[in-house]
Amino acid sequence: ILNVEQSPQSLHVQEGDSTNFTCSFPSSNFYALHWYRWETAKSPEALFVMTLNGDEKKKGRISATLNTKEGYSYLYIKGSQPEDSATYLCAFYNAGNMLTFGGGTRLMVKP
Amino acid sequence: NAGVTQTPKFRILKIGQSMTLQCTQDMNHNYMYWYRQDPGMGLKLIYYSVGAGITDKGEVPNGYNVSRSTTEDFPLRLELAAPSQTSVYFCASSPRQTQQGEQFFGPGTRLTVL
Repeated sequence: ILNVEQSPQSLHVQEGDSTNFTCSFPSSNFYALHWYRWETAKSPEALFVMTLNGDEKKKGRISATLNTKEGYSYLYIKGSQPEDSATYLCAFYNAGNMLTFGGGTRLMVKP
Repeated sequence: NAGVTQTPKFRILKIGQSMTLQCTQDMNHNYMYWYRQDPGMGLKLIYYSVGAGITDKGEVPNGYNVSRSTTEDFPLRLELAAPSQTSVYFCASSPRQTQQGEQFFGPGTRLTVL
């Protein structure tokens, strides 16, 4: 069983603040790292799929970086808005056909 | 496209009862997955399928069975429901192997076993 850890578990920020969270994963046999956004009462939706060390991806105000050698990925949100409130999941893939998910970071943005 | 659909949305079972959670996707994806999500925990993979006629166990398969007779459908069967199976169940699909393809999730089925 692979260990994928996300920190912090939860985060409260004010509207307009920028924030970031961490996903840690085993650095051996890396294939891909996925980020998903999961709003309450909805289904997880993919944000990014990252496969290369040093990769950086961006979608609007959200961006992510990847360091496969040390086994971590950061997700950044610039100028948080209330609609960014959600749980952000990372998932690690190293073999077979299985993603191992972290426990998520729950973000709450106060207006 | 409807994407990934799941039925039912909610269900309450008594201990020992059986039921089938339905999952259908209309995106012609080869890969399909069943996850469960427990409070405070991430998603745990129960079973997955890489194509019609092929299924394999995930991290937490005990107490469940699956079949994949068509590309579109991937039902999950609970034979003897136990309180430990109280959870929210998500079905997902992807067009390619997971290291490349994002997964598309259904709306979930909330199951309570009393």
